Amino acid sequence: AQSVTQLDSQVPVFEEAPVELRCNYSSSVSVYLFWYVQYPNQGLQLLLKYLSGSTLVKGINGFEAEFNKSQTSFHLRKPSVHISDTAEYFCAVSEKNNNDMRFGAGTRLTVKP
Amino acid sequence: DAGITQSPRYKITETGRQVTLMCHQTWSHSYMFWYRQDLGHGLRLIYYSAAADITDKGEVPDGYVVSRSKTENFPLTLESATRSQTSVYFCASSPAWGGYNEQFFGPGTRLTVL
Repeated sequence: AQSVTQLDSQVPVFEEAPVELRCNYSSSVSVYLFWYVQYPNQGLQLLLKYLSGSTLVKGINGFEAEFNKSQTSFHLRKPSVHISDTAEYFCAVSEKNNNDMRFGAGTRLTVKP
Repeated sequence: DAGITQSPRYKITETGRQVTLMCHQTWSHSYMFWYRQDLGHGLRLIYYSAAADITDKGEVPDGYVVSRSKTENFPLTLESATRSQTSVYFCASSPAWGGYNEQFFGPGTRLTVL
C-alpha cells in the first residue's frame, strides 16, 4: 500500500517569508497527490491536487506544489506567507486503482509577525 | 446549508460504554469515510462505504462498527470504548469511485474516553 512522509512536523516562519512544506510518498503504481489544510477546530479542506499533466500545480490562497516523480516528492510552496496561513497541512496520496487515500502525519505551519 | 455535519462535536465517555458518532451529508455523495486523527499519525481510515448497505474496513477498523441504511447518514459506533480510542474523528464524503476524487470533510468530533 502507498504511504506518505511529511518530513517536518513543525515549520515556524515569519510573515511575508517564503515557505516550503515537504512531502515524499511511496507507491508501486501511479498515484494522485493532494494537499489539504486544516485550520484550528475545523475539518480538512483541499488546497490543491495533482492528477496528471503539468507537474506544477497551483491551488488556493497562493499555494503551489510540484510533482517530482523521480524523487517521489510533492512539496508545497508559497512565496510569501500571511498570519492567516497558520494551520496544519496534510499531504495525501491515493493510487490510481483504488479509492484508499493515505495521509501524512501533518506539518504545523506557524506564521509569526 | 448543504454540506457535511457531525454530531456531537465533543463527547466524553467512560471505558466500556457504547458511543455513536453521527455523520450527515446533503450532497448525495456515494462514498463516505470515517477517519481518526492522532498526533504523529495524521488521519487513518477506519471504515468507508461505497453506497447504502455497502461498507468496508479501512486501515484501523478494530473496535468500531458502521452502518449505512441511508445514503446521507454514516454513523460510527464504538461498542465498548477504550482509552486508546480517545481521538478526533472526521467524517468525509466523495462523489464517486476513484482515487482522483477530492474528499469533503466534516468539522470533526473530539472524543475523550476516561
